Amino acid sequence: AQTVTQSQPEMSVQEAETVTLSCTYDTSESDYYLFWYKQPPSRQMILVIRQEAYKQQNATENRFSVNFQKAAKSFSLKISDSQLGDAAMYFCAYRSAFWGQLTFGSGTQLTVLP
Amino acid sequence: DTGVSQNPRHKITKRGQNVTFRCDPISEHNRLYWYRQTLGQGPEFLTYFQNEAQLEKSRLLSDRFSAERPKGSFSTLEIQRTEQGDSAMYLCASSLDPDRPQHFGDGTRLSIL
Repeated sequence: AQTVTQSQPEMSVQEAETVTLSCTYDTSESDYYLFWYKQPPSRQMILVIRQEAYKQQNATENRFSVNFQKAAKSFSLKISDSQLGDAAMYFCAYRSAFWGQLTFGSGTQLTVLP
Repeated sequence: DTGVSQNPRHKITKRGQNVTFRCDPISEHNRLYWYRQTLGQGPEFLTYFQNEAQLEKSRLLSDRFSAERPKGSFSTLEIQRTEQGDSAMYLCASSLDPDRPQHFGDGTRLSIL
């Protein structure tokens, strides 16, 4: 079974600064997808960024980028130029290429300080 | 694209009662997923459908839980004889196909008295 571990329950960052959220996972599969989702308080889960395991190039979406280390099974999220609206719970998630369901980590609560 | 819709938003019930939640996926999305999220934790997979076929169920889905998607459109999740441990947020997500991202609804928060 796949597992996803987020070892930072809480993180804080100053507005306009950069923060990195950590995620490690365990799988015996070679083909899979990794995701970062954002869940603002009392609001729905939103996809932030997605990475295909077969791609060596790290995914980037505007201020959000990932550092995907397949051999180390590490998938960190970097948020540049942090904004107050980035404050949320961030979940790392894994999906097998063969099965549809997502396996989530326990989340990192990000606070952005003005 | 009106998004994934879940009803009700909140449900409060007494232990032992039955409850039913509804999820309306994004139009034309073939895949529909149910997850459960307890406070301070990430969502846990319960089950998913490809059109009307239920393809997989988690071991978390005890025999008190049943899910349907009768016409491949909306889905219902029923919990019979609710227990204290069923208190959670129940999330629904849909995707156009297995390889596309899952879009989540706002969830139904269940509280058991």
